[in-house]
Amino acid sequence: EPEVTQTPSHQVTQMGQEVILRCVPISNHLYFYWYRQILGQKVEFLVSFYNNEISEKSEIFDDQFSVERPDGSNFTLKIRSTKLEDSAMYFCASKGDRGSYNEQFFGPGTRLTVL
Amino acid sequence: AQKITQTQPGMFVQEKEAVTLDCTYDTSDQSYGLFWYKQPSSGEMIFLIYQGSYDEQNATEGRYSLNFQKARKSANLVISASQLGDSAMYFCAMSPNFGNEKLTFGTGTRLTIIP
Repeated sequence: EPEVTQTPSHQVTQMGQEVILRCVPISNHLYFYWYRQILGQKVEFLVSFYNNEISEKSEIFDDQFSVERPDGSNFTLKIRSTKLEDSAMYFCASKGDRGSYNEQFFGPGTRLTVL
Repeated sequence: AQKITQTQPGMFVQEKEAVTLDCTYDTSDQSYGLFWYKQPSSGEMIFLIYQGSYDEQNATEGRYSLNFQKARKSANLVISASQLGDSAMYFCAMSPNFGNEKLTFGTGTRLTIIP
């Protein structure tokens, strides 16, 4: 069964450093998403991406964040200068063409720890 | 804007009993989808069940069913014959059925199955 993959599973970084979180969505999917979950809290939407551009972004997704689909398979989230409060689990998700069903498939997540 | 409310932060249920996890929602959209995801201690997000706002019948997937009451704006998850492996965090979520359909999550319910 196709699945969304994410690397690394755990990333530890120093405050102020840049990190890139990587995702490989399901191959024929068209819509891509990043969510984050601060420990013990709910999952929050960060950004959605379609047709090689950002479709929607939340207030969390400020100038420190960027997304890219550099080739036909990868979807990355970059945080330019990490802050302590960026420590969270980051989930990538993808969805196929709408049709009559719009389930988003989630990756296993990357746990980011900012020291 | 969409909002999901889960009022049960934690529940304890005896193995083999049925359990209902509550979810109410608020939206001005006419067409939307409701989802339940399971998050075990390992952290991944596992899709369980989907209900479309125009679906007349309640969704069922194996031991999972969604008790959809549109007038009350509720979408409760029912797990029949609970198993130890059902112990996890459960999140209710919704999205509009247009555009990029970002998911809005509730705060979750931690379900613990007691042997």
